[in-house]
Amino acid sequence: KAGVTQTPRYLIKTRGQQVTLSCSPISGHRSVSWYQQTPGQGLQFLFEYFSETQRNKGNFPGRFSGRQFSNSRSEMNVSTLELGDSALYLCASSEGGQIEQYFGPGTRLTVT
Amino acid sequence: QKEVEQDPGPLSVPEGAIVSLNCTYSNSAFQYFMWYRQYSRKGPELLMYTYSSGNKEDGRFTAQVDKSSKYISLFIRDSQPSDSATYLCAMSAGNYGGSQGNLIFGKGTKLSVKP
Repeated sequence: KAGVTQTPRYLIKTRGQQVTLSCSPISGHRSVSWYQQTPGQGLQFLFEYFSETQRNKGNFPGRFSGRQFSNSRSEMNVSTLELGDSALYLCASSEGGQIEQYFGPGTRLTVT
Repeated sequence: QKEVEQDPGPLSVPEGAIVSLNCTYSNSAFQYFMWYRQYSRKGPELLMYTYSSGNKEDGRFTAQVDKSSKYISLFIRDSQPSDSATYLCAMSAGNYGGSQGNLIFGKGTKLSVKP
């Protein structure tokens, strides 16, 4: 089976812009979670989607949003980018009801 | 106090050494404990997953969970240069209704195994 794929792998944006990141989970996996990884804070949970519904949300501002499509693919959007949003954004997928999460390679976002 | 504490290292050992990596946590609701390995500029890779207390072995890797002490460990036997990476512990209170829940991660320990 192919692993989790994320596009794009690298992105450079300017403060104030918005960005959309995409994640395709492992075939058959219905849960998708998003995490932000920074050197200072480590890996922090953003939100989780299961069958097109947001099941969990982390402690991030409303500028961070996401959605999941019927084929389980997911997107996350960050509006009004700030310098502090520069990070590696990771997507993880899991079979429904299973605790093990499998991560993609991430999208490295740089905000200038 | 952070929910999960992990010594960031760096930890440098000679090839063949036994490596011990540890995390402590404060939330007694955690039931699922995982170890991930992350190479530079890559996503985390799931190494081992343990439910509740006890030991689990997989090849050169052994995971231990002591819920009474809120302490988990990962041991790597016969360490190899290819084991050089950042090791992240992660925990969850569990899944519900098909949801995997969110994982709470330690900040990771950077390990270097010297030939």
